[in-house]
Amino acid sequence: SQKIEQNSEALNIQEGKTATLTCNYTNYSPAYLQWYRQDPGRGPVFLLLIRENEKEKRKERLKVTFDTTLKQSLFHITASQPADSATYLCALGGNAGNMLTFGGGTRLMVKP
Amino acid sequence: SAVISQKPSRDICQRGTSLTIQCQVDSQVTMMFWYRQQPGQSLTLIATANQGSEATYESGFVIDKFPISRPNLTFSTLTVSNMSPEDSSIYLCSVEHNGDGYTFGSGTRLTVV
Repeated sequence: SQKIEQNSEALNIQEGKTATLTCNYTNYSPAYLQWYRQDPGRGPVFLLLIRENEKEKRKERLKVTFDTTLKQSLFHITASQPADSATYLCALGGNAGNMLTFGGGTRLMVKP
Repeated sequence: SAVISQKPSRDICQRGTSLTIQCQVDSQVTMMFWYRQQPGQSLTLIATANQGSEATYESGFVIDKFPISRPNLTFSTLTVSNMSPEDSSIYLCSVEHNGDGYTFGSGTRLTVV
């Protein structure tokens, strides 16, 4: 069966360091992968989309890689700040219409 | 990107009753998506709503329990019917934005007592 795995344990890092979050999937051939940020009590906010033919994408302090052979995406936040503390969700799409399937999310805590 | 107004933001309901959640989008969109997020869990797609046709439900969700309306290209409602405590969750609507990410409403936090 299809599965998307994100580290369910919270990731704690020091301010200024690079945070790296992992998204692994099985039994999927997604056309694209997306990353979202979700704060408590709020809906997810779109951050980045990377397509299957792209290896890497950047946006300001964010970088996403997509390895379709390993079936893995890495999400990096450089020079992390306490304001980056949130839950980050990966989502796969493109298999069935416009449907998105979400991973369980990883909570990031950036300490000052 | 699109802006979605979702309401109510939260509600506490008695078991056996129904709640209708509304989402208004500031632009016309073909498809609207309804998700459920149970406490501490990720998002699960309930159904996809197209204007002018019946919604398409995902496995485990049925129209009798979660009827959806889509009267025009900017509006949709989701009703949670005959509620039980297991329906306590956050419900979210979403639209795709120009093939580059999805915009979500702020969510409806439902507690069934």
